[in-house]
Amino acid sequence: GQQVMQIPQYQHVQEGEDFTTYCNSSTTLSNIQWYKQRPGGHPVFLIQLVKSGEVKKQKRLTFQFGEAKKNSSLHITATQTTDVGTYFCAGPWSTLTFGKGTMLLVSP
Amino acid sequence: NAGVTQTPKFRVLKTGQSMTLLCAQDMNHEYMYWYRQDPGMGLRLIHYSVGEGTTAKGEVPDGYNVSRLKKQNFLLGLESAAPSQTSVYFCASSSLGLAGSETQYFGPGTRLLVL
Repeated sequence: GQQVMQIPQYQHVQEGEDFTTYCNSSTTLSNIQWYKQRPGGHPVFLIQLVKSGEVKKQKRLTFQFGEAKKNSSLHITATQTTDVGTYFCAGPWSTLTFGKGTMLLVSP
Repeated sequence: NAGVTQTPKFRVLKTGQSMTLLCAQDMNHEYMYWYRQDPGMGLRLIHYSVGEGTTAKGEVPDGYNVSRLKKQNFLLGLESAAPSQTSVYFCASSSLGLAGSETQYFGPGTRLLVL
């Protein structure tokens, strides 16, 4: 069925390195959401992107929505150990549909 | 506001036993959802509700039933638990919005182990 694909599934970085996760859809999305789940925690909403080519920043996090509205990315600059967790994108179909997530591990 | 709460936090069942997971929200949200999360599988929607007295099937509804008798509560039932239902269950709620575009607020989760 329709879904969003996330890559990579897993990434391990050293503290201070940058990190990027990508979300791809085969169909045009009206919007896309990003969530973060800390280990042992629950998903927490980060942001929603609506406009083609939109770029939003939250401190060290930069979110981008592709021009064709079929892909999105989350970039973290200079990772910190507090960034550890799984990042999910989610797209709108009959209900909100989540990708499988990218697990980020940050070593000090 | 407590947001979304789930009861219990952790439960161990034997195969064939039944149980009910309770989700409560105090944000006056219309929509409520039940997901299960398994390693490498992301969040999969079990059932959802768009209002009091209504329920609908999600991606993986088999083996589960739900009820939404009150707007603030959404119950998930397992009539005869199976080891394949070992998982972490999350409840979520959201306000009215375009289908699939509403921001969801999640509860802390219920960890279920079926032996």
